[in-house]
Order: sequence, then C-alpha cells, then structure tokens
Amino acid sequence: LAKTTQPISMDSYEGQEVNITCSHNNIATNDYITWYQQFPSQGPRFIIQGYKTKVTNEVASLFIPADRKSSTLSLPRVSLSDTAVYYCLVGGAGPGRRALTFGSGTRLQVQP
Amino acid sequence: EPEVTQTPSHQVTQMGQEVILRCVPISNHLYFYWYRQILGQKVEFLVSFYNNEISEKSEIFDDQFSVERPDGSNFTLKIRSTKLEDSAMYFCASSPAIPPEAFFGQGTRLTVV
Repeated sequence: LAKTTQPISMDSYEGQEVNITCSHNNIATNDYITWYQQFPSQGPRFIIQGYKTKVTNEVASLFIPADRKSSTLSLPRVSLSDTAVYYCLVGGAGPGRRALTFGSGTRLQVQP
Repeated sequence: EPEVTQTPSHQVTQMGQEVILRCVPISNHLYFYWYRQILGQKVEFLVSFYNNEISEKSEIFDDQFSVERPDGSNFTLKIRSTKLEDSAMYFCASSPAIPPEAFFGQGTRLTVV
C-alpha cells in the first residue's frame, strides 16, 4: 500500500489561501492522488482527485508535478468551516488496483 | 445526490458477540470498501471487494472479520466474536471503475462492552 507523508498540522486565517503538500515517493503508475476532508465523527468527504498536472474544481485545486512523487492541495480563501483534517491518499485504478490508504492527515485550524 | 448509507449509526454489543454492520453503496459503483477509525486515530483500511470477492485486505482483517454482498445492493461487514479493541467507527465506501473516487458513508459507531 502506498505511503504518504504530510504535515501534521497547519494554522491559517480566514480569507487566506492554504497549500498542503503531500509526498508519495512510491506512487505506482496506476495510482491516482485523492484528497479527503474529515470533520469529527463524520466520514471522509471527497475533495479532489488527479493523476497528473493540475486539476481544479469548485472547492480546491490540486497540483501534481511531472514526477508525481508529491502533490499540493490548494484551498482558496479558507473560512472557519474549513477547519478539519485533510488526507492525501494514493490508490490505483484498473485490475488489481490498490485500495486507498489514509495517512495521519493534516489538521488545519482556521482562525478568525 | 447519491450517497452511501450505513446502518445502524450506533451499535453497542457485548464482548464475544457477533455483529453485522450494513452498508448500501451507490448503485452503479463496482468497488466496495470497509475502513475503521478508532477514536482519535487515523482511518485504517480493512478490506476491498470487487466482482464478488475480496481484492485486498489489511493485516487487521483477520479471521474474525468477513464481508458479503448478499443481494446486489447491500454490503456487510461481520465481526464474529467482538473484542473491546474492535470499538471504533466503521466506514463503508464505494467507487466506480473510473475514476477511482471513493465515497464514504457516515459510519457506524461500534461500542464493545
């Protein structure tokens, strides 16, 4: 199962952009990179997923360099409700694909 | 918006008893997963299921655990003889073939006393 490393915690203020970087040195060719958000006592919520280059949706952007050994989740203009744990996962598609494995996550605290 | 549904939301059981946790995945999804999260700890992978068989499992998923998709809509996790350390939130997830976005249910809180 692919291992990921991300900062344990980050602090930010409302309205700022937050970038959380994750390293995944042993990512496999079939693996996608997926980010989840989790609030206490709730299931992880899908934020964004990518394979390479840049992906953007209404919530976040995901930057993936050419070697795919790291990725950066960018949250524009965070609010207090973005306070949560953010997980970076790698897992594959196709036959025999590897299940998504959660690391320890990054606990983001947004201050007013 | 389709969602993964888990029942019950909370179950209390005595040590040594069998429990069955139930999940209804999103209807056109093909891959199904169980994860657990002990209070204050990270989300741990238990098992993945595809084409009516287990495709991957972790070392946590030992002989006391089993999964089943009995009727094409439900996906169940059975714990045969619960231990105190099985107390955790159990999350079910499902994903389509492509892309492999896994959608999670809200979880079942299992308390073993």
